[in-house]
Amino acid sequence: KQEVTQIPAALSVPEGENLVLNCSFTDSAIYNLQWFRQDPGKGLTSLLLIQSSQREQTSGRLNASLDKSSGRSTLYIAASQPGDSATYLCAVRLEGRRNTGKLIFGQGTTLQVKP
Amino acid sequence: EAGVAQSPRYKIIEKRQSVAFWCNPISGHATLYWYQQILGQGPKLLIQFQNNGVVDDSQLPKDRFSAERLKGVDSTLKIQPAKLEDSAVYLCASSYRTGVNEQFFGPGTRLTVL
Repeated sequence: KQEVTQIPAALSVPEGENLVLNCSFTDSAIYNLQWFRQDPGKGLTSLLLIQSSQREQTSGRLNASLDKSSGRSTLYIAASQPGDSATYLCAVRLEGRRNTGKLIFGQGTTLQVKP
Repeated sequence: EAGVAQSPRYKIIEKRQSVAFWCNPISGHATLYWYQQILGQGPKLLIQFQNNGVVDDSQLPKDRFSAERLKGVDSTLKIQPAKLEDSAVYLCASSYRTGVNEQFFGPGTRLTVL
């Protein structure tokens, strides 16, 4: 059974710091991995999607890496801003016959960036 | 392009009452998902539809939860009777088709059971 774990559960940093959020998964047979952002009272916004054949994806100040064999992904946020404060979730989709589209989520990391 | 719509946004009920949530997916999206997100946890899939057929409902508590997507477009999720542990955000998502395409999420319905 695939399990997704995110560490740390919460993180507080001063504005301007570079930071790394971690995601690990127990079954390396994944189709892709996705990072989402969730603001309080809102739905999920997709940040980056990494296919299983890719090593990383970048969007602006965000960079996500994937090491499928070790079951790990990191989300790197450069020069953090107060507007980055939110909960960040990673999710995996299984590959092959188990790929029904279902996403399996970690519990999230709640980030607070202080001005 | 309009996103996934959900209503109501908030609902407060007493335990043992019933409640229904509504979702309208992005136009043309064949696949629709309902996720349950308990406070402090990641979303968990409850049920997945492909058009009006059920693909996966393995984690749906069928003794109290039901869902339908009669015409392959809108969907309703019902809880009857509600329990305290059903307090959560219920997220609806849709994708163009199963297995390949990215999912887009609605704003969710926050349910509080007292």
